[in-house]
Amino acid sequence: DAKTTQPPSMDCAEGRAANLPCNHSTISGNEYVYWYRQIHSQGPQYIIHGLKNNETNEMASLIITEDRKSSTLILPHATLRDTAVYYCIVRVEAMRFGAGTRLTVKP
Amino acid sequence: DTAVSQTPKYLVTQMGNDKSIKCEQNLGHDTMYWYKQDSKKFLKIMFSYNNKELIINETVPNRFSPKSPDKAHLNLHINSLELGDSAVYFCASSPSRVGHNEKLFFGSGTQLSVL
Repeated sequence: DAKTTQPPSMDCAEGRAANLPCNHSTISGNEYVYWYRQIHSQGPQYIIHGLKNNETNEMASLIITEDRKSSTLILPHATLRDTAVYYCIVRVEAMRFGAGTRLTVKP
Repeated sequence: DTAVSQTPKYLVTQMGNDKSIKCEQNLGHDTMYWYKQDSKKFLKIMFSYNNKELIINETVPNRFSPKSPDKAHLNLHINSLELGDSAVYFCASSPSRVGHNEKLFFGSGTQLSVL
């Protein structure tokens, strides 16, 4: 029942930027886009969130298209420790996780 | 100091038993949650409490009963455990459940195995 679509898996070379796409074509005007990741079997970790402006923090950048129907999470210099499942979530009443994208960073 | 702590980390028990998982957060957050992650790795919300009040109950069997004695604690009690209850249970908290401030902080999980 997630409102987002993500590719099931992606690879990235260590040191390169990882660009993870997310489609959320049915997003409403006041719904935020959140990104979390889950490394192996640890608890999910909050990365970043935004409404319509691009956002950047110490972990990543979030680029949201002008029509808000899609977004991209950017890890500027991926490391092996960034290998994880990345979840894009449009918060509707609660934080509901979809299947996510399994990102594998390779040496 | 661990922000969101759950105990126990591992729980192995027999079918039909009753067990509890405890969760505490020291972040001063208003909202707490329980999530279940099954063997296929889907992470599903079960319950959400805001200031000790139940806000979300996601079609969870009555055998699961959350209890929030204060806003820093949210425990999960499970009666008559079944094989299908085997999963990893994650507790989480957030400053509030208002959309722009619902950043969840998760505990490290409790792996429940029902034999």
